[in-house]
Amino acid sequence: AQSVAQPEDQVNVAEGNPLTVKCTYSVSGNPYLFWYVQYPNRGLQFLLKYITGDNLVKGSYGFEAEFNKSQTSFHLKKPSALVSDSALYFCAVRDKGFKTIFGAGTRLFVKA
Amino acid sequence: DAMVIQNPRYQVTQFGKPVTLSCSQTLNHNVMYWYQQKSSQAPKLLFHYYDKDFNNEADTPDNFQSRRPNTSFCFLDIRSPGLGDAAMYLCATSRALAGGEQFFGPGTRLTVL
Repeated sequence: AQSVAQPEDQVNVAEGNPLTVKCTYSVSGNPYLFWYVQYPNRGLQFLLKYITGDNLVKGSYGFEAEFNKSQTSFHLKKPSALVSDSALYFCAVRDKGFKTIFGAGTRLFVKA
Repeated sequence: DAMVIQNPRYQVTQFGKPVTLSCSQTLNHNVMYWYQQKSSQAPKLLFHYYDKDFNNEADTPDNFQSRRPNTSFCFLDIRSPGLGDAAMYLCATSRALAGGEQFFGPGTRLTVL
């Protein structure tokens, strides 16, 4: 079965510094990988996805993610963090049919 | 703007009193989902529709039911809410594509007294 793991419950970074939120996956076949962000009392918002093609995927709000097949990772990155990036981030993988499996989430704190 | 709308945003019900949450979409997506999310945990899929084809997750309690009368609307019925059903309920949609991302509504926060 497909699965994703987010090894960090929380990531702390200073504003202006680069940030990385880690995700590893386990899939059979071609992986369809996603990142979503959730702000307090809101639904999830799609950030970016990897289906095929370039390993570096660019998404919304300056975020990007690097697909690494040999390390089975799909880490979310941003060159310069903003306080407004503070939120809960979910990595996800598409399962069979239309199901999506979400990771446990990583809370990002960006300090001014 | 095309979007996913959930009503109400906050719902309070009493233990055992049936409640219905609603979701509508203007995206014209084939697939609609209902998730339960507790305390910033990962969303837990309850069921989804592909057009009118209903797909229930094996571990979704019978207490939870759903209806999709047309493409735009989907309802979540909780027949006899228990204290453990207090959660955020998220509706989402996607195109019927293998790599299609999901579009989420703002959620309904359910409180059970």
